[in-house]
Amino acid sequence: NAGVTQTPKFQVLKTGQSMTLQCAQDMNHEYMSWYRQDPGMGLRLIHYSVGAGITDQGEVPNGYNVSRSTTEDFPLRLLSAAPSQTSVYFCASSYSVPTGANVLTFGAGSRLTVL
Amino acid sequence: GQNIDQPTEMTATEGAIVQINCTYQTSGFNGLFWYQQHAGEAPTFLSYNVLDGLEEKGRFSSFLSRSKGYSYLLLKELQMKDSASYLCADMDSNYQLIWGAGTKLIIKP
Repeated sequence: NAGVTQTPKFQVLKTGQSMTLQCAQDMNHEYMSWYRQDPGMGLRLIHYSVGAGITDQGEVPNGYNVSRSTTEDFPLRLLSAAPSQTSVYFCASSYSVPTGANVLTFGAGSRLTVL
Repeated sequence: GQNIDQPTEMTATEGAIVQINCTYQTSGFNGLFWYQQHAGEAPTFLSYNVLDGLEEKGRFSSFLSRSKGYSYLLLKELQMKDSASYLCADMDSNYQLIWGAGTKLIIKP
């Protein structure tokens, strides 16, 4: 099994450009989420989904959109990139809402730089 | 409110024992997680505590005191491969994880 696959691994954007970070999982997980990780800060939840067709905002949703048309895929869209969105982005999934018996599996991360 | 505190960096010697502390102040506590993250890699799950006490898993153990809002991760017989960041996260009443900034552990020979 591939687990959680994120693409691209690295991306450089100019301010104002848009792009989509892809996330796919092959574990039949219902719960999927996007985090960003910045130096000196904990992982911060951007958006999450508890199943196909259902999405919700996390702690830092502004500037990002998501959709969940299938169980497998959960793309993150940056509408108009800003330097403040320079970060490492992680997609994570689990069978259902994360608990001790249902832990998150993370993708390898996507490092985004906005100039 | 929600706040997770853990030391920024710790240094320990190969073969020794190290304790990484984490304090939390989350309303509606639903459990405390520890994850390991090697530089440039994804976090991976280490442990979960929801009841008070010590959970042992090989060289790694995790402790929780709900009344004190305190947890620690204990690593024994340290190996060079244990050099990594250790992330503490608690789960709030909405089952969302609130993450600390992580403790970078440096192992010296």
